[in-house]
Amino acid sequence: GAVVSQHPSRVICKSGTSVKIECRSLDFQATTMFWYRQFPKQSLMLMATSNEGSKATYEQGVEKDKFLINHASLTLSTLTVTSAHPEDSSFYICSARPLGGDSHYNEQFFGPGTRLTVL
Amino acid sequence: SQKIEQNSEALNIQEGKTATLTCNYTNYSPAYLQWYRQDPGRGPVFLLLIRENEKEKRKERLKVTFDTTLKQSLFHITASQPADSATYLCALGKGAGNMLTFGGGTRLMVKP
Repeated sequence: GAVVSQHPSRVICKSGTSVKIECRSLDFQATTMFWYRQFPKQSLMLMATSNEGSKATYEQGVEKDKFLINHASLTLSTLTVTSAHPEDSSFYICSARPLGGDSHYNEQFFGPGTRLTVL
Repeated sequence: SQKIEQNSEALNIQEGKTATLTCNYTNYSPAYLQWYRQDPGRGPVFLLLIRENEKEKRKERLKVTFDTTLKQSLFHITASQPADSATYLCALGKGAGNMLTFGGGTRLMVKP
């Protein structure tokens, strides 16, 4: 149980185009989904937190107009990288917090990640 | 600002030995600490969680200790196997509504 999928797993796009990444919780409902970015040999950096039906909360330094997040249902969140540039090339990972999860800690299940390469 | 440090150098050990990875933190008082495994090109997989009032946690060949005085967690893999080769991340949190903060990870290589 507690499986999170991401689609696509890899995407290559031209500079200036937009790319949408989907994150789905397959066998549970998620009140909250998180989007992380990971550069090579570095740790996961939280970009934003999204709650179903409300606006995402972005971390400092993350442009909300560039990284559009939509959390339309309890099982789906999307991240759209708008007008992508080569510096946006990275590994994007989502995670989901189950509805009714432990109230004492931030339980998250991670997706397999999406490798974005902007040419 | 809060800082989480893991040894950025790879840890190379022989199969059968015990691997010990370290996670140190400063300017932070976590309520719990988690360890994850990450394989190349994959998302992290949860391994163990230890709360601030727990000294030690075990799960099969894994053991985690948490010393809030030293601000350190140790992650042990006993009887290591080549399949244990991966990057191991520690993550700290304060509560259900707070973000997780990840360390940079340590790559473990277990040689047959």
